[in-house]
Amino acid sequence: DQQVKQNSPSLSVQEGRISILNCDYTNSMFDYFLWYKKYPAEGPTFLISISSIKDKNEDGRFTVFLNKSAKHLSLHIVPSQPGDSAVYFCAASRDNFNKFYFGSGTKLNVKP
Amino acid sequence: DTAVSQTPKYLVTQMGNDKSIKCEQNLGHDTMYWYKQDSKKFLKIMFSYNNKELIINETVPNRFSPKSPDKAHLNLHINSLELGDSAVYFCASRRGGGAYNEQFFGPGTRLTVL
Repeated sequence: DQQVKQNSPSLSVQEGRISILNCDYTNSMFDYFLWYKKYPAEGPTFLISISSIKDKNEDGRFTVFLNKSAKHLSLHIVPSQPGDSAVYFCAASRDNFNKFYFGSGTKLNVKP
Repeated sequence: DTAVSQTPKYLVTQMGNDKSIKCEQNLGHDTMYWYKQDSKKFLKIMFSYNNKELIINETVPNRFSPKSPDKAHLNLHINSLELGDSAVYFCASRRGGGAYNEQFFGPGTRLTVL
């Protein structure tokens, strides 16, 4: 039973445009959410996070939005760059933050 | 200087063999993890140690045994390898302590069981 789902396996966007990656979760107890970026043959690297007390967190070109009522979060990348082409995983945690649940990833391709 | 390292990067072996994957972190973190990325690409937690103590043990076959000789190392030993064990295994570490902080992942070990 997957508690974190990324329903779009892939996304293709033109350079300079906005990329929107989506993530849904089922457990209302989750209170910490993260996005990771993964290049081929490398491990995931942390990108941005948000706690459940917020609905938006920004870091440069990356913004994460959290809609708790819909159990949905999204990652916006503006403007998208070819170097952003990677697989993006969302993850969620609850309580003591030791256990993290990951989605299956969305492969983003930013075309020059 | 690599923060979280794993060896080997690739491992090809026959069914029934026993193998180990090693993980080391030089970040001074208290908590370490093993994840399995299966064919469906989900990253599933297997084990977690905090200061050498096992704190998370998911529904993983007994053939998998983690060992943490010190808080900088978390090794994974797998007995009697099966075809279904083929996957990419990621080690990760985290500062821990119940705070809002992220995990740092190793590069992964691609295990292929023939």
